[in-house]
Amino acid sequence: GAGVSQSPSNKVTEKGKDVELRCDPISGHTALYWYRQSLGQGLEFLIYFQGNSAPDKSGLPSDRFSAERTGGSVSTLTIQRTQQEDSAVYLCASSFGLETEAFFGQGTRLTVV
Amino acid sequence: GDSVTQMEGPVTLSEEAFLTINCTYTATGYPSLFWYVQYPGEGLQLLLKATKADDKGSNKGFEATYRKETTSFHLEKGSVQVSDSAVYFCALSDRNQGGKLIFGQGTELSVKP
Repeated sequence: GAGVSQSPSNKVTEKGKDVELRCDPISGHTALYWYRQSLGQGLEFLIYFQGNSAPDKSGLPSDRFSAERTGGSVSTLTIQRTQQEDSAVYLCASSFGLETEAFFGQGTRLTVV
Repeated sequence: GDSVTQMEGPVTLSEEAFLTINCTYTATGYPSLFWYVQYPGEGLQLLLKATKADDKGSNKGFEATYRKETTSFHLEKGSVQVSDSAVYFCALSDRNQGGKLIFGQGTELSVKP
């Protein structure tokens, strides 16, 4: 597609449920990044992929968070047993490589009630 | 670890006023520096970047110079417009850390006609 696509754009879930957030990067982009934007914490790095491997998962807040990428393309961020503090906008970005411009998707707004 | 600090907002200016948003960073390596902008209802977009000391990034009338001696990357514009109203994020990226972006907390700019 023309840009980074994220789905759903909005998700409301009950506390304790699992959620999956999807990111379709720009075709050909090998690097893919997940960030979280919340009122109290600003923009935080979560994880990045180079191809299908994740060399840096240091930003994942807890073991309830996991992510995978398949075929060097689509990535899924999974949050298990959601908590209210997980409410945030989850942003995905992709780039051709480590030193090239990262393009961001519109984000998924997650609300845990 | 690496970090970015930028001046807090919100900043309110009249149209045609001069804009400065301060940004300083802490990094162990030799990072690239960025300004991203988030217009209301839109995703994050790269505004400008600089990859080494003394480089000047510029775009849409905005400028920022990579100052290694003061570890700063202040954003400036000589004459702001109402359409510049947005949230501005300073960020750094270190190639040795996979190109992930470390963001400042963001500065909201509101330009009044």
